[in-house]
This record gives sequence, structure tokens and C-alpha cells, in this order.
Amino acid sequence: SQQGEEDPQALSIQEGENATMNCSYKTSINNLQWYRQNSGRGLVHLILIRSNEREKHSGRLRVTLDTSKKSSSLLITASRAADTASYFCAWGAGSYQLTFGKGTKLSVIP
Amino acid sequence: DAGVIQSPRHEVTEMGQEVTLRCKPISGHNSLFWYRQTMMRGLELLIYFNNNVPIDDSGMPEDRFSAKMPNASFSTLKIQPSEPRDSAVYFCASSNGGTGGYYEQYFGPGTRLTVT
Repeated sequence: SQQGEEDPQALSIQEGENATMNCSYKTSINNLQWYRQNSGRGLVHLILIRSNEREKHSGRLRVTLDTSKKSSSLLITASRAADTASYFCAWGAGSYQLTFGKGTKLSVIP
Repeated sequence: DAGVIQSPRHEVTEMGQEVTLRCKPISGHNSLFWYRQTMMRGLELLIYFNNNVPIDDSGMPEDRFSAKMPNASFSTLKIQPSEPRDSAVYFCASSNGGTGGYYEQYFGPGTRLTVT
């Protein structure tokens, strides 16, 4: 992809397990964001990490950013059935625009 | 705040017909984005406005697509004439410039367009 990739494309885990999703991008950025999309709904912002940060936490979410490798990961700990959704990373370079990845479809089995 | 409002939520139309999608951004937000989402191409930015002015429309597929933002609380995306390949979910999102250049976007529920 000219823009970046997310992997895996799909992930299926048991409730209570941790889920890790990865995102790679190809340009210089000043921030990277993660969004969640439930089936048939719009995207919802989860967390934003700045380019000078390496790790950020929000509840059961942990995001890491490695600008030298142009990659980020999203960890959801102690997953719940309600976490079933698609997760997208998006990166920005300081303007209003964001570029979105293709997303990871997460299924959490009760 | 009610969030970003889009209408209609679903639209089924025949090829060749004009389609108009509507969006009301969050009050006070100064940027508005139109996206198209398909299984094949993912989420594509079509156009974005800043302070009601179109800044980048390079993502608009072709002349059949047009977008307007006559005021800060309303935007339209029009397809004329529509074609089956325009079938997709169209999202509107708005944003308010935060400090330091970090802008999260707030998405509407989307309009699912089916062109037969």
C-alpha cells in the first residue's frame, strides 16, 4: 500500500484474552490515532498519541508508537464481547487531514 | 451536543438519478470531511472543508461528484448522475483544530447508498 498497512486484517480471540493490532505508515507524522467502528456505525475516536510520545494508556487500551520504524500497535487487555468491532489507525502530519489504514476486524468470542 | 448528523441514513436509487447526501457538523467545529467506505478500497477521503472553504477535493472521483458547504452548519455531497459503482457508505466527519496541530475527527453514522 502506498499509505500503510494494518495487520492482522482479522483477529478472533476468546473473551478475557488480550488483542494486539499493528499499524505501519510511510510518511512523517506528528500524531497517530486509533478509531473503532462497530458494524453499521461511524468511526469513534479512541486514543491519540503524539510523535514525541512512545506509549499511552486509556483504560484497557495501550498504544505504542515507534517513529523510527513508522509503526504503532494497539493493545486491548482483558477483551470483552463488546470490543468486537473494526479498529483503524489514522495518522496526521499537522494539518487537518488524517490518512486511515484499512483496519483490523476483531471478533471477541464470549 | 447531538454529534454529527447525516441524512438520509439509507438511500436506494436507480442509475442515472441524482443523489444528495446531507451533513450537519458539530457546532463550533471548523473542519468538515466527506469520506467513502467500501470493502475494496477502505475509507477514502473525498473532500474536506476548512471554515466552509473547500481545501482539498483531490479525492473526488470525477465530475459527477460535487460538494458544497454554504454555512458552518450544513454541507451536501451530490452525485449526478449516479452509477452502480457509487454504491458505498458515505461518512461525514467534523473536527475542531486542537492545540499543537492534533485533530481528532468525529464521524456521523453514515449514509448507505445503493445504486441499482
